[in-house]
Amino acid sequence: DAGVTQSPTHLIKTRGQQVTLRCSPKSGHDTVSWYQQALGQGPQFIFQYYEEEERQRGNFPDRFSGHQFPNYSSELNVNALLLGDSALYLCASSPYRANYGYTFGSGTRLTVV
Amino acid sequence: AQTVTQSQPEMSVQEAETVTLSCTYDTSENNYYLFWYKQPPSRQMILVIRQEAYKQQNATENRFSVNFQKAAKSFSLKISDSQLGDTAMYFCAFMKRPSDYKLSFGAGTTVTVRA
Repeated sequence: DAGVTQSPTHLIKTRGQQVTLRCSPKSGHDTVSWYQQALGQGPQFIFQYYEEEERQRGNFPDRFSGHQFPNYSSELNVNALLLGDSALYLCASSPYRANYGYTFGSGTRLTVV
Repeated sequence: AQTVTQSQPEMSVQEAETVTLSCTYDTSENNYYLFWYKQPPSRQMILVIRQEAYKQQNATENRFSVNFQKAAKSFSLKISDSQLGDTAMYFCAFMKRPSDYKLSFGAGTTVTVRA
């Protein structure tokens, strides 16, 4: 049974560019959350998607947007990249009816130069 | 907003010995979950143990156990019989229930198990 799958694993972008990160949730999970983890820090909640809608959002600017597809997979989009956006981006999934134990992916390491 | 504090940036322990990681949190909520996650070099965040605030009994998962002190807002993790594979970053996390969906993480504690 596949867990949470994220792609790509590593990415290098130039300041000002746009990036799209992808996540496939664990089988049987229908909610997807995204977290940003700066080097040496704990993850920070970006947003959660359920039923293709953003259900809750953290303290991130509108440059961060997302989407959830009918098959529950999700994308995280970041526009107008800043150097400070360099981080590990983690995707986590859970079943809606048991939303207290998240399964995380291995993340996408984004470097903005 | 909830804050989670892990005051030990790094801990080192000899293989087969016991190490305790501390975590304190600040909340006005009465209903919440607390978690410990492990993040090895593979980067994947792995759930170690979960505690429901309304349960007085401390959670235990094999070699991992917690000491949950609700009044003191303290949630420490004890790793017994430490193994080399326990080497990782450990994060304490909080989730308000029932209407919140985000995990609020502490800054983490790096645990190194020495052979």
